[in-house]
Amino acid sequence: SQQGEEDPQALSIQEGENATMNCSYKTSINNLQWYRQNSGRGLVHLILIRSNEREKHSGRLRVTLDTSKKSSSLLITASRAADTASYFCATDRDDKIIFGKGTRLHILP
Amino acid sequence: ETGVTQTPRHLVMGMTNKKSLKCEQHLGHNAMYWYKQSAKKPLELMFVYSLEERVENNSVPSRFSPECPNSSHLFLHLHTLQPEDSALYLCASSHLLWGQGNGSNQPQHFGDGTRLSIL
Repeated sequence: SQQGEEDPQALSIQEGENATMNCSYKTSINNLQWYRQNSGRGLVHLILIRSNEREKHSGRLRVTLDTSKKSSSLLITASRAADTASYFCATDRDDKIIFGKGTRLHILP
Repeated sequence: ETGVTQTPRHLVMGMTNKKSLKCEQHLGHNAMYWYKQSAKKPLELMFVYSLEERVENNSVPSRFSPECPNSSHLFLHLHTLQPEDSALYLCASSHLLWGQGNGSNQPQHFGDGTRLSIL
């Protein structure tokens, strides 16, 4: 069964606004990763957050992790057209990395 | 550049053809992976190699045959495919394999994939 599931499935926002995507998972994890996939390209690793961390920042990205709710969020601040992509969370289960279906983010000019 | 190169980028083949997908990583990683990405489905892990040894086969039909001649190269040989096999096939590598030390903490580096269409 799927471990991580992103929400919403699709999101459209105006350029300059903040974008928030969520990931829920079912079993306990050691870490959670977020990836981005531009159209026609492979996945690119964005950030990893460990189970003992609650928040992590990387440039305009902010990731939070709530292990009690088994959820994580990815916030992209001051969105740009180049942020248009699909975003995936990946969690570890049985020492394997399991990807969700992704959130398609579209930044409107 | 991610350091992982896949060829060809696009492939159209008939169900009776035999073709191969190639992946090469220039990162000195020890683990390599094949994934299948279909529309509206999660990424499906197909095969995992660690130091040229296959360590996982996720119930993939025998019409897909992987080969890892060395730690930098990974192939996926295709034979007698079905229309439902049309998808984006992604190769990835990581420094360590999960289960090895902090393997599950290792980010995966992906190639840009081969878009496969079965006629």
